[in-house]
Amino acid sequence: AQSVTQLDSQVPVFEEAPVELRCNYSSSVSVYLFWYVQYPNQGLQLLLKYLSGSTLVKGINGFEAEFNKSQTSFHLRKPSVHISDTAEYFCAVRTKAAGNKLTFGGGTRVLVKP
Amino acid sequence: EPEVTQTPSHQVTQMGQEVILRCVPISNHLYFYWYRQILGQKVEFLVSFYNNEISEKSEIFDDQFSVERPDGSNFTLKIRSTKLEDSAMYFCASSMRTGNNEQFFGPGTRLTVL
Repeated sequence: AQSVTQLDSQVPVFEEAPVELRCNYSSSVSVYLFWYVQYPNQGLQLLLKYLSGSTLVKGINGFEAEFNKSQTSFHLRKPSVHISDTAEYFCAVRTKAAGNKLTFGGGTRVLVKP
Repeated sequence: EPEVTQTPSHQVTQMGQEVILRCVPISNHLYFYWYRQILGQKVEFLVSFYNNEISEKSEIFDDQFSVERPDGSNFTLKIRSTKLEDSAMYFCASSMRTGNNEQFFGPGTRLTVL
């Protein structure tokens, strides 16, 4: 079975500063990796995904993530955050073997301060 | 832009009562899912549904739960006899295909069992 750990439950950051959200996963088989964002009172929206190929993945709203197979990590970064990036961010994996279910991390709440 | 919708946004019920949570997936999608998030915990997979039958379910999805696609547009989750521990946010999702295809999430229904 696979699992996902998001190491930070909350990350306060000042506007225009960079942010990195950490995600580590555990799986005995190859996985697809995802980052979702949840704005207040909204559903989960896909930010980016890693399926194969280049380990650096670019997503919406200026976010990017890097897949590191040896460290089983998929950390999310943004070089300069805006107030509107205040949200909860979820890392998720799905195995390539079979099934569609997503396994989520616990989420990281990002609070961007002016 | 097409989106997944869910009704109601908040449901309050008494323990032991039956509840039905409703979802309208994106119209050309073929795969449907329910996830839940108990307050302060991870988003957890409940069930996936394809071609009018359950394709995968978690250990959480016991005999108290059922899913149905009663017509061409709705996808429902029924909890037969609610327990206090069923209080959670329930998310519906849909995808066009399986494999690496993105799952689109609805805004969720907050279920409170008293």
